[in-house]
Amino acid sequence: AQSVTQLDSQVPVFEEAPVELRCNYSSSVSVYLFWYVQYPNQGLQLLLKYLSGSTLVKGINGFEAEFNKSQTSFHLRKPSVHISDTAEYFCAVSDEIQGAQKLVFGQGTRLTINP
Amino acid sequence: DGGITQSPKYLFRKEGQNVTLSCEQNLNHDAMYWYRQDPGQGLRLIYYSQIVNDFQKGDIAEGYSVSREKKESFPLTVTSAQKNPTAFYLCASSVTWGAPGELFFGEGSRLTVL
Repeated sequence: AQSVTQLDSQVPVFEEAPVELRCNYSSSVSVYLFWYVQYPNQGLQLLLKYLSGSTLVKGINGFEAEFNKSQTSFHLRKPSVHISDTAEYFCAVSDEIQGAQKLVFGQGTRLTINP
Repeated sequence: DGGITQSPKYLFRKEGQNVTLSCEQNLNHDAMYWYRQDPGQGLRLIYYSQIVNDFQKGDIAEGYSVSREKKESFPLTVTSAQKNPTAFYLCASSVTWGAPGELFFGEGSRLTVL
């Protein structure tokens, strides 16, 4: 079965500083990777996804992630964060391209931006 | 506006009572899902459905039940058999082809057992 590990439960950074949220997944022949964001007391929203092709994936709100097959990682980065980026971020994996999307989520990383 | 509506937003239950959480979508999606969220554990899949009148157990289905009588509705019942029901419950939906991994989530229902 697929699994995802987010290496940091909390990441505090100062506004306008760069940030990296780390994610490792269990190896599989075919894997599809996702980052979701959850603002307080809300549902999740898709930030970006890797299905195939270029290993550098760009998403909404200036975030990007790099797929590294040899290290089984899919770390999320942003060069300069804003107060509004304060949220919980979830890495997720799937091995299905069609049908019901039974995503397996990581434990989440709470990103706190300090002024 | 298209989206997913969950109700109620907050719910309190006494031990031994069943409770039903509502989930309605107007996105015309075929697939619907229920996830449970606990602090530090991420989201865990309870049940999912790909089509009307059909649903499958997820990773933590014990103590829960669902129905899918209409395409737009996927209610979740938390039964008295669920030993630790206090949690944040999220409903989601998706198409079944063409947009892998893109789930649309409701705003959640927070259940507290007193």
